[in-house]
This record gives sequence, C-alpha cells and structure tokens, in this order.
Amino acid sequence: GAGVSQSPSNKVTEKGKDVELRCDPISGHTALYWYRQSLGQGLEFLIYFQGNSAPDKSGLPSDRFSAERTGGSVSTLTIQRTQQEDSAVYLCASWRAQDHVEQFFGPGTRLTVL
Amino acid sequence: GQQLNQSPQSMFIQEGEDVSMNCTSSSIFNTWLWYKQDPGEGPVLLIALYKAGELTSNGRLTAQFGITRKDSFLNISASIPSDVGIYFCAGQPNKLVFGAGTILRVKS
Repeated sequence: GAGVSQSPSNKVTEKGKDVELRCDPISGHTALYWYRQSLGQGLEFLIYFQGNSAPDKSGLPSDRFSAERTGGSVSTLTIQRTQQEDSAVYLCASWRAQDHVEQFFGPGTRLTVL
Repeated sequence: GQQLNQSPQSMFIQEGEDVSMNCTSSSIFNTWLWYKQDPGEGPVLLIALYKAGELTSNGRLTAQFGITRKDSFLNISASIPSDVGIYFCAGQPNKLVFGAGTILRVKS
C-alpha cells in the first residue's frame, strides 16, 4: 500500500476483555514503532522493532501488553484484560533510515475501554 | 530514561508572525526530528536533522540541531492559519522519543 495502515480504526471494549491492534507498515521499512497517545498528550513510546534484532520493549506499561512482528512486516499489539486507563489512540510508525530518515505514522486505532 | 522538554506548551499568535519552539534533552541525541499533528491524524515528519550544528529548511520551516546535541529548535516564518496544529520534537539516541508537543493557534 501507499502508507501505513492500522486496524481497526476504532475499538470499543469492555473492561477485562483482550484486544488486538494491527499495523501494516510500508514495505521495505526495517523498523516499526508503537506509541500511544492520550487526549491532548504527547506520544508515549511502547515498543520498537528493528530488523531481526530483539525488540525494545522498555515502554510497555505492564505485562498485559505484548507485541509481535511477523516476517518483519505486519505487527500486532495485544492488550490483555483491558483497563479503563488503557483508553488512548495507539499509533504505529514504520521507519527506514539509510542516507535519510523516511518515516510515516499510521492513522491510529482509537481504543475505548468501558 | 531520556527526557525531552519541549516549550512552549502552547502559542497563540497573529497571522504573519514568526514562531519559535525548542526542545532540550537530558542526553545526547544522534537525530532530531520535528513533526506536525493535525486532529484525528498521526504525526507527519517535517524535518529531520542528523548532525550537530545542522540547519535545515523546509519551505517556511527551519530547524537546527544544537551544537551540544542536546537541543533543537524549530522556526516557522510568516505563519498562516493552516499552520495550526500540534508540533512535536523527537530525538533518537537509539529508540525515538517524543516531546510533549507545542500547540500552535494562529489568529487570522
């Protein structure tokens, strides 16, 4: 595709349920980031995948959060036993840095936990 | 961990005025990036800076990578109403971390 896509665009779930958020990055981009953004706030780093290296999970807020990237392409962020404080927009960005940075964000998934 | 301080938090300026915002970090960065985010969308990369002292322009936008590698600024010249939005700095020692953003509002 032409850009980074994320699905679903909106997700409303009940507290305690699990959710999966998907990111399709730009083909050929070696790095993929997940961030979350609460209303009116900055971007909070969650996790970073770079090539075949072990992901940097240092931003995941709890062990209820996990992410994987299959085949160096599509990534899924999973939140187990969702809590109301998990409500936010979850943004994915794909990245390539060779002689210059090429990076694009997806439109985000708005997660609402009731 | 790394911390980015971005200022000002918000600005309300007259159309045609120049705007300046900056970021400082607690550690040395290898890359500085500036983004703009419009409501309901993801941030869009405006300018990327790769080495200390670098000054780069993109239309009416100019950004500089500080000599100490711990700061960067973004200038917008002759602001127009479509400049409204949230501007973020981001830096990369390894992973990419973001400042809290500067909300820009322009009076026409």
